[in-house]
Amino acid sequence: SQQGEEDPQALSIQEGENATMNCSYKTSINNLQWYRQNSGRGLVHLILIRSNEREKHSGRLRVTLDTSKKSSSLLITASRAADTASYFCATVNGEAGGTSYGKLTFGQGTILTVHP
Amino acid sequence: KAGVTQTPRYLIKTRGQQVTLSCSPISGHRSVSWYQQTPGQGLQFLFEYFSETQRNKGNFPGRFSGRQFSNSRSEMNVSTLELGDSALYLCASSLVLRGGLDTQYFGPGTRLTVL
Repeated sequence: SQQGEEDPQALSIQEGENATMNCSYKTSINNLQWYRQNSGRGLVHLILIRSNEREKHSGRLRVTLDTSKKSSSLLITASRAADTASYFCATVNGEAGGTSYGKLTFGQGTILTVHP
Repeated sequence: KAGVTQTPRYLIKTRGQQVTLSCSPISGHRSVSWYQQTPGQGLQFLFEYFSETQRNKGNFPGRFSGRQFSNSRSEMNVSTLELGDSALYLCASSLVLRGGLDTQYFGPGTRLTVL
């Protein structure tokens, strides 16, 4: 079963605008990761944020994590048509220790469309 | 370094048959995880192998099995295929860092269609 719920399910914006996607999860986590997928292909890792971090940046990406609310957000600034893809959050469970580290639990994803 | 490779990329089978999918991880990566992606269920974890041992298993029937070889290459097998097994099967490899702070690197996937 999916741990994460992502919001919105679909987002359509114009080039140059910012895109914000949200993710909620249910259990204690070790870390949370964001991935991008283009047209049913493999997933590309974007960013990993540890459970003790609140914010992380990578280029045009900004990720926040609020463990008290069990939620995260991904902000893509100055979006481009090439950012059109599905975006997934994925969590690594923090309760089971090392035995769960190889398992990612994914959200349902947000489909982002950026119009030129 | 070469990325994660998966073979075959596309596969068509009929109900009742069995199928074997292959995954070659990034050189030096010791963990291989498998995921199933369908429009209805999304991305679901199948299992993870580390040092030739299954370390984690998802909630899938016993028809789904896997193994890992000494060179970290992995295979997954699905026996007695059902229509619902049609999916994109993704393999991911990771280094296995301390504290679970691994990035999983995904292959392009194998698209399985069951007729």
